[in-house]
Amino acid sequence: AQKITQTQPGMFVQEKEAVTLDCTYDTSDPSYGLFWYKQPSSGEMIFLIYQGSYDQQNATEGRYSLNFQKARKSANLVISASQLGDSAMYFCAMREERAYGQNFVFGPGTRLSVLP
Amino acid sequence: AAGVIQSPRHLIKEKRETATLKCYPIPRHDTVYWYQQGPGQDPQFLISFYEKMQSDKGSIPDRFSAQQFSDYHSELNMSSLELGDSALYFCASRRGGRAHEQFFGPGTRLTVL
Repeated sequence: AQKITQTQPGMFVQEKEAVTLDCTYDTSDPSYGLFWYKQPSSGEMIFLIYQGSYDQQNATEGRYSLNFQKARKSANLVISASQLGDSAMYFCAMREERAYGQNFVFGPGTRLSVLP
Repeated sequence: AAGVIQSPRHLIKEKRETATLKCYPIPRHDTVYWYQQGPGQDPQFLISFYEKMQSDKGSIPDRFSAQQFSDYHSELNMSSLELGDSALYFCASRRGGRAHEQFFGPGTRLTVL
């Protein structure tokens, strides 16, 4: 079963506008972490933002914020004031805590294109 | 700031050959993760190590093995290479405890001909 779902294979946004990238997850563990990564065409994987399952506040990092709705199991990424350099693939990922270590799984990704 | 180092950055091999990918984590990071990302795919977790011991295992084929050495660097050994092994292989490192972020290396692009 898919643990991370990103229903938007591709998204377009006008420069300077805000955009929301969807992510829903599936876990029965009480302790988990949610991540968003950006992968530009150059291929590197860039960490953007983290949300812990017990965190009360939504995470924010500069222009990035995570809209965490625990009951709905969603962790949408909001990018404010989009820039041309934001065009990239965006992956939502989840880390589940295990007694023997951690399980880390990525979603299928959303390709964001920022239009001038 | 120091980042995760992976070598080589590009590797071309023939079918049935072997390959060794190396990963040097950020200093003081004790946990290393390996991922495989096929063309147009999301990264798939292969294996992880914490303090030189294997801590978790994902979809790593039996033809692959990995280890973490005393200096915390890690090597992914791949034998009997197949065309389907062509992918971008990422290593990521993390500092144990309350640190959450995995810092990814630039990846090794393996092409199997």
